[in-house]
Amino acid sequence: DVKVTQSSRYLVKRTGEKVFLECVQDMDHENMFWYRQDPGLGLRLIYFSYDVKMKEKGDIPEGYSVSREKKERFSLILESASTNQTSMYLCASSPTIGRSSYEQYFGPGTRLTVT
Amino acid sequence: QKEVEQNSGPLSVPEGAIASLNCTYSDRGSQSFFWYRQYSGKSPELIMFIYSNGDKEDGRFTAQLNKASQYVSLLIRDSQPSDSATYLCAVDSTNTGNQFYFGTGTSLTVIP
Repeated sequence: DVKVTQSSRYLVKRTGEKVFLECVQDMDHENMFWYRQDPGLGLRLIYFSYDVKMKEKGDIPEGYSVSREKKERFSLILESASTNQTSMYLCASSPTIGRSSYEQYFGPGTRLTVT
Repeated sequence: QKEVEQNSGPLSVPEGAIASLNCTYSDRGSQSFFWYRQYSGKSPELIMFIYSNGDKEDGRFTAQLNKASQYVSLLIRDSQPSDSATYLCAVDSTNTGNQFYFGTGTSLTVIP
């Protein structure tokens, strides 16, 4: 079974703090993704990575950065947390097989509250 | 226009009925289509995927795809209270490989 783990289930941070969210997958997947999910807005892609040290902006990258130094690990960084970044953050991974898109497997999520 | 649109619901059906969930998409070149189920407070889990026009059945679930109409649906037969969840439609992007567009989800409640 694919396993995607995230470093924290719940996190409370103060405005202006630097926040690190970690994601690890154990299936040797090439692709990893960070989403945030808010009521009424659905899943919105922040960043994704298709290889080590590679990253691509998603739909809402402002205020975030990412790091992928190892294939299994993808980190999301909030350089200076703000209250509008309070959300559920979901990490996902997927394999690349040929030119097909394959299903994404999600981690349990991190509910971040910025006060 | 959003890339993927779903009826937000909420959709309520009695136990044992058929629940029908619908999704339309705008990227005519999309090839891969997925349905995820998300229970409250949990992360999405994949329940069906479909790549070809027509129907695909898996137990009580049937996914239907019509690429000409850019429409994908999920039917849940013999609905159970445990099916109560939000169902997300996901479609791959032809512009950026391996990226999905997600709908905002349809909330389903199965009434015992």
